[in-house]
Amino acid sequence: DVKVTQSSRYLVKRTGEKVFLECVQDMDHENMFWYRQDPGLGLRLIYFSYDVKMKEKGDIPEGYSVSREKKERFSLILESASTNQTSMYLCASSLQGRYEQYFGPGTRLTVT
Amino acid sequence: AQSVTQPDIHITVSEGASLELRCNYSYGATPYLFWYVQSPGQGLQLLLKYFSGDTLVQGIKGFEAEFKRSQSSFNLRKPSVHWSDAAEYFCAVGHPNFGNEKLTFGTGTRLTIIP
Repeated sequence: DVKVTQSSRYLVKRTGEKVFLECVQDMDHENMFWYRQDPGLGLRLIYFSYDVKMKEKGDIPEGYSVSREKKERFSLILESASTNQTSMYLCASSLQGRYEQYFGPGTRLTVT
Repeated sequence: AQSVTQPDIHITVSEGASLELRCNYSYGATPYLFWYVQSPGQGLQLLLKYFSGDTLVQGIKGFEAEFKRSQSSFNLRKPSVHWSDAAEYFCAVGHPNFGNEKLTFGTGTRLTIIP
């Protein structure tokens, strides 16, 4: 079974802090994704990576950056957290050429 | 641009009753279609998928979905729901024209089961 893990289930940060969310997958997937999930808005893609050091902006990249130095790990960075970034963050991965995405358990981030 | 509509924000069903969750997509070609389920506090789990062929697809946990090209729909069904089916359900679409195996998700339908 594919396993996608995220570094924290719950996180509380202060406005202006730099925040790192880590995601690791163990199935050698080429593609990795970061989404945020908000009530009534569903899942919105923040960033996508299709290979090590390769990234592509999603629908809502403003205020976020990403890093993929190793194939199994994809990090989401909030350079200066703001209260409107309070949300559930979901990481997913998929094989190149395949559309089925496998999700981690999510990180619920609260910015105060 | 492609879009996915789940017209029902919240559905309440009695345990043992049948269930149908609606999903409509807007795209010129037939996309790849998915249903995911999210239990409270959890990530998303793939229930089933459709790429081509037989328009009735079977998934896990006793769910099935039917692709209807004429209605641009991919509705999820279950003949008899269990209390453990209470969750949020997301429909998603993908297509090679979207670029890089990305999916577009609907806004979700929350399912409540009453005894």
